[in-house]
Amino acid sequence: KAGVTQTPRYLIKTRGQQVTLSCSPISGHRSVSWYQQTPGQGLQFLFEYFSETQRNKGNFPGRFSGRQFSNSRSEMNVSTLELGDSALYLCASSPQGQSSYEQYFGPGTRLTVT
Amino acid sequence: GQQVMQIPQYQHVQEGEDFTTYCNSSTTLSNIQWYKQRPGGHPVFLIQLVKSGEVKKQKRLTFQFGEAKKNSSLHITATQTTDVGTYFCAGERTDSWGKLQFGAGTQVVVTP
Repeated sequence: KAGVTQTPRYLIKTRGQQVTLSCSPISGHRSVSWYQQTPGQGLQFLFEYFSETQRNKGNFPGRFSGRQFSNSRSEMNVSTLELGDSALYLCASSPQGQSSYEQYFGPGTRLTVT
Repeated sequence: GQQVMQIPQYQHVQEGEDFTTYCNSSTTLSNIQWYKQRPGGHPVFLIQLVKSGEVKKQKRLTFQFGEAKKNSSLHITATQTTDVGTYFCAGERTDSWGKLQFGAGTQVVVTP
């Protein structure tokens, strides 16, 4: 089976812009979770989607949003980028849910905001 | 802030030595997962513990879930250079169903 893929792998944006990141889960996995990873804060949970519905949400401002399509592919969007949004954004898929099953992480998208 | 606390943050280990990383939660966890992230890589699932007092072994790695299901540990014996990376625990708190809380991770450096 192909692993979790994320596009793009690297991205440079300017403050105030918006960005959309994409994640394709492992075939058959219905749950996709998004995480922000920074050196200072570790892995911070953004949200989880399951069957096109947001099932759980972390403590991030409304500038961070996401969605999931019928084929389980997911996108996350960050609007009005801030310097502090620079991070590695990881998505992870699992068959049913992030907390009950092992998660398979993608390689991440490295976002740099200047 | 982190609701699942992990210590130590850094661990320098001589090759061949043992070390342990600990994960603690103020509330009961329904289960706990452990992941390893190599430098420049992404987290890779190691194991999940569900039962109180559960102990699981993977070669030189021993994982334990506390009796009260509030803490967990990962013990590595005879450390090798391949053990380099950051080890994360991730727990599902019983007061936050379906949501995994990651610890800050223990970054392990191995000196030959």
